[in-house]
Amino acid sequence: NAGVTQTPKFRILKIGQSMTLQCTQDMNHNYMYWYRQDPGMGLKLIYYSVGAGITDKGEVPNGYNVSRSTTEDFPLRLELAAPSQTSVYFCASTGRGGQETQYFGPGTRLLVL
Amino acid sequence: QKEVEQNSGPLSVPEGAIASLNCTYSDRGSQSFFWYRQYSGKSPELIMSIYSNGDKEDGRFTAQLNKASQYVSLLIRDSQPSDSATYLCAVGGNEKLTFGTGTRLTIIP
Repeated sequence: NAGVTQTPKFRILKIGQSMTLQCTQDMNHNYMYWYRQDPGMGLKLIYYSVGAGITDKGEVPNGYNVSRSTTEDFPLRLELAAPSQTSVYFCASTGRGGQETQYFGPGTRLLVL
Repeated sequence: QKEVEQNSGPLSVPEGAIASLNCTYSDRGSQSFFWYRQYSGKSPELIMSIYSNGDKEDGRFTAQLNKASQYVSLLIRDSQPSDSATYLCAVGGNEKLTFGTGTRLTIIP
C-alpha cells in the first residue's frame, strides 16, 4: 500500500496563476481532507469529503475548490493564486471520520510570488 | 467554534527526563483524542489515540484523558533526542478532527 500520495512535492506559482494539487489514497477510505499549515502553526482544514460526490467547506475554504469523483482521488484547485496561499498543503484520509486517526500524505509546498 | 489549545512552548527537556504536553478542548461532546508527532518538513504521524477517561500507555508514551476537565495530556518518559519534534493534539468530532497549534519539544542531550 502506498497510503496517501500527493503531487507535486514543491511548486512555485506566480500571482494570478492556477494549479491543481493532486491527492490519491489506496486504503479505500471514505473520508478525505485538505489542510494547510503555515510556518509554526497547526493544521487548518480547507475542505473535506465524506465520500465520492460529497464535499464540504472547512474553516479556510476561500480561494480553493475541490471535487471528489472517485473514492481514491481528492484534488484541490487553487484559482488566482495569491501570496497568502503560500503554505504547505497536506492531504489526509480516514475510514471513520473523526473517530479514528487520519493518515497524511507527504505534503505539497507551495510558494506564490 | 470548536477549539483545541495546547501549551504554546517551545518546551526544552533534558535527555532522560519526562516531557509533559498538555491540551484542552472546548467541545464537551468530543469522543476521540489523538496525539501526532511532526518532524520538521514532514507530515504528522500518529503517536497515541485515546477514547476513555484515564491513562493509556504505549512504550515510553502515556496519554491521559479527563473528559470532566476537558483535558488531555501526553507524557514521554526517558526522553530521547529523537523525540525532538512538534506535537499536535487533535480532537475528533463526527466527521473531522480539530487540531491545536502544536507544542515544539526539544530534548537537550
